[in-house]
Amino acid sequence: KQEVTQIPAALSVPEGENLVLNCSFTDSAIYNLQWFRQDPGKGLTSLLLIQSSQREQTSGRLNASLDKSSGRSTLYIAASQPGDSATYLCAVSYQGGSEKLVFGKGTKLTVNP
Amino acid sequence: DGGITQSPKYLFRKEGQNVTLSCEQNLNHDAMYWYRQDPGQGLRLIYYSQIVNDFQKGDIAEGYSVSREKKESFPLTVTSAQKNPTAFYLCAITGARGGYTFGSGTRLTVV
Repeated sequence: KQEVTQIPAALSVPEGENLVLNCSFTDSAIYNLQWFRQDPGKGLTSLLLIQSSQREQTSGRLNASLDKSSGRSTLYIAASQPGDSATYLCAVSYQGGSEKLVFGKGTKLTVNP
Repeated sequence: DGGITQSPKYLFRKEGQNVTLSCEQNLNHDAMYWYRQDPGQGLRLIYYSQIVNDFQKGDIAEGYSVSREKKESFPLTVTSAQKNPTAFYLCAITGARGGYTFGSGTRLTVV
């Protein structure tokens, strides 16, 4: 069964701290992996997309890595800000992008001023 | 929303009533998806469509129906057969390199 697990479920940090969110998946034959951000009551905003042939992607203060062999991805957030507070979701696709995403349950991040 | 529009933002359904959620896109993408989100659970796939006039069931299709008469539109109907419809519904498309773009969602509540 294809499953995605995110640890921790919740994380609270002081402003300015660097942090890492973890994602693991049971089936390593992924097509791509995507990290999303979700604010309360809102839709999902795509942060980073990593193709299966890539090892990492970077956007501003965000860096996502992918290790297919171990079935893991990490999202690194540098110099966290209160505006980073949200739920972060990891999702993988397996069928060339034409079928479903398998989602983790998310990590709820709170950055305290 | 990156060219995806969901409406309405909030919807209330009475017992035994069918309701339809709208999803429109102007990005000319073929594949469209409907997901359901419940508190404490990951998103789950309801239906998806890869081309006009064709669609496939996802993991939790029971009690739902869809149509794909136009490339731009993929409406979802929550029927009276869906016994627990209260949830947040998200529509998505896939774009370049398989990346997904989501709409802003519709929150459905049974009253």
